[in-house]
Amino acid sequence: DTEVTQTPKHLVMGMTNKKSLKCEQHMGHRAMYWYKQKAKKPPELMFVYSYEKLSINESVPSRFSPECPNSSLLNLHLHALQPEDSALYLCASSQTGVRNQPQHFGDGTRLSIL
Amino acid sequence: QQQVKQSPQSLIVQKGGISIINCAYENTAFDYFPWYQQFPGKGPALLIAIRPDVSEKKEGRFTISFNKSAKQFSLHIMDSQPGDSATYFCAPQNTGNQFYFGTGTSLTVIP
Repeated sequence: DTEVTQTPKHLVMGMTNKKSLKCEQHMGHRAMYWYKQKAKKPPELMFVYSYEKLSINESVPSRFSPECPNSSLLNLHLHALQPEDSALYLCASSQTGVRNQPQHFGDGTRLSIL
Repeated sequence: QQQVKQSPQSLIVQKGGISIINCAYENTAFDYFPWYQQFPGKGPALLIAIRPDVSEKKEGRFTISFNKSAKQFSLHIMDSQPGDSATYFCAPQNTGNQFYFGTGTSLTVIP
């Protein structure tokens, strides 16, 4: 079992729907990340939150809207997605204030856009 | 992503053999060099990592070799097992706590 929990595990939605992905960790990590991963490709960084503030947005389309309501929770709000947005969405967290700390990943949400 | 080049793209090894995966980087600001292992349907998980003040680190059957002057580091899996079949990513980290993933290596260990 991973220490980063993502829900739901699978999500199918139409292009006009609004849905949210949820990520939770209780390791006290203050850096949290969203990645997008296509089949047979490496994870692509989307957003980074540091101490609940958005620190990096890798030019992600506005149909993806991240939110970090507290230090344990990270959401990704989805609206008007396109078929090419179908992918595995991974959440990760890492410790801050200490150098050379790894990322801890959840098992992802498999998203399919109809 | 282009700052990190990983090879080979895929690797097939007999059970008991040695698997070697290489990672080359350009950014001299990297100061942490982890390898992640990912099984189908799962997220990546840290396998082993090294800091640049060390040239080699061994944990069980897994060894990282690090060559700072060549800006390369490699993963060696000794006595490879079918359970090692997975995708492996190098993901060096810069001082700003940002990770850069390599393109991945799909390892298949044949019984």
